[in-house]
Amino acid sequence: DQQVKQNSPSLSVQEGRISILNCDYTNSMFDYFLWYKKYPAEGPTFLISISSIKDKNEDGRFTVFLNKSAKHLSLHIVPSQPGDSAVYFCAARGNSGGSNYKLTFGKGTLLTVNP
Amino acid sequence: DGGITQSPKYLFRKEGQNVTLSCEQNLNHDAMYWYRQDPGQGLRLIYYSQIVNDFQKGDIAEGYSVSREKKESFPLTVTSAQKNPTAFYLCASSRTGGDEQFFGPGTRLTVL
Repeated sequence: DQQVKQNSPSLSVQEGRISILNCDYTNSMFDYFLWYKKYPAEGPTFLISISSIKDKNEDGRFTVFLNKSAKHLSLHIVPSQPGDSAVYFCAARGNSGGSNYKLTFGKGTLLTVNP
Repeated sequence: DGGITQSPKYLFRKEGQNVTLSCEQNLNHDAMYWYRQDPGQGLRLIYYSQIVNDFQKGDIAEGYSVSREKKESFPLTVTSAQKNPTAFYLCASSRTGGDEQFFGPGTRLTVL
């Protein structure tokens, strides 16, 4: 059973516009959420994170929003650039004692930014 | 430069053979992890280790084995018992109790 869901396998946007990537989770024990960016045949790179005690975190062009009541988070990229084209993974960390290092990943969303 | 290295980048093996994937980090991280990625799938946790000489099974540990004799190294052996070994394997590390995990470049294993 998927605990972290990225329901959109792909997203296409124009350069300069906003990209919004969505992620839903089911486990209320998750206390920390991360977004990773991945290019083909490479390892994921950390992008931005948010603690469950916050509802927004911003880093340059990237902003993550967390709605705990809806168990939903989103990543906003403004403005989108062609170099942002990659697969974006949402991940969640559980607060369960000895297992709190485990991350649960969604299946990813392929973002394509068109020039 | 600190980072995580995985070797080789591409690996081919014949069905029925065991193969070991290397993962080394010089970030002084205590925790290390192995993930598997299949097409259209997210990353699934195989094994993880929070400290030297200790490791735990992840969500899909069957057919795999690991060791953690040194802080810097966390090799993964894909045994002949793994039914579908062809995949992209990723190693990661983090500080004890740390938040983000740092990933290596990955090894693509193909079983012929």
